[in-house]
Amino acid sequence: AQKVTQAQTEISVVEKEDVTLDCVYETRDTTYYLFWYKQPPSGELVFLIRRNSFDEQNEISGRYSWNFQKSTSSFNFTITASQVVDSAVYFCALSEAQPSSGSARQLTFGSGTQLTVLP
Amino acid sequence: KAGVTQTPRYLIKTRGQQVTLSCSPISGHRSVSWYQQTPGQGLQFLFEYFSETQRNKGNFPGRFSGRQFSNSRSEMNVSTLELGDSALYLCASTQGVGGLYEQYFGPGTRLTVT
Repeated sequence: AQKVTQAQTEISVVEKEDVTLDCVYETRDTTYYLFWYKQPPSGELVFLIRRNSFDEQNEISGRYSWNFQKSTSSFNFTITASQVVDSAVYFCALSEAQPSSGSARQLTFGSGTQLTVLP
Repeated sequence: KAGVTQTPRYLIKTRGQQVTLSCSPISGHRSVSWYQQTPGQGLQFLFEYFSETQRNKGNFPGRFSGRQFSNSRSEMNVSTLELGDSALYLCASTQGVGGLYEQYFGPGTRLTVT
């Protein structure tokens, strides 16, 4: 069974500070996918990034960066120079490949981290 | 391209009633998944449909069911509603099979059971 842990329930920072959201996962599968989603107050989950288990390269997209480390089963997310608009709940999720059905779309979500960026 | 749409956005039902929620995926997307989000349990997978067939199901009672039509639109039904069914129900669509495709979520239907 897979599990995703986001130990930080709430984080509050002042605008322009950097913030890192932690994500630790558990899976027995060798092929899996990791995701980050953002959920603003409107409720819609916004896709941010997908990584597969064979690609440990860190990724940077503007102010966002992700650090994937298989050795520690972590997939952390950093926002540089945070802005008020970054305030939202952020979810880390895991999807295992299921060869028998060809489907890998059952996402197991962490409990989320509420990020508040103060002006 | 229009995003995933869900109707209705808000719904209030009485315990014991049944409810049907609708999801229209992004044009060209053939897979639809449903998730339930509650403060206590977080986001939990309900089921997934691809080409009108249920391919995967989460750990929910049989009161929760769904279907997918030939145009990829999907509905989920909850019978004999319980207070604990109050939740945000999210629908996600994806282009194809496998984990190569990210899921795009709709705005959700907020169901309140009284």
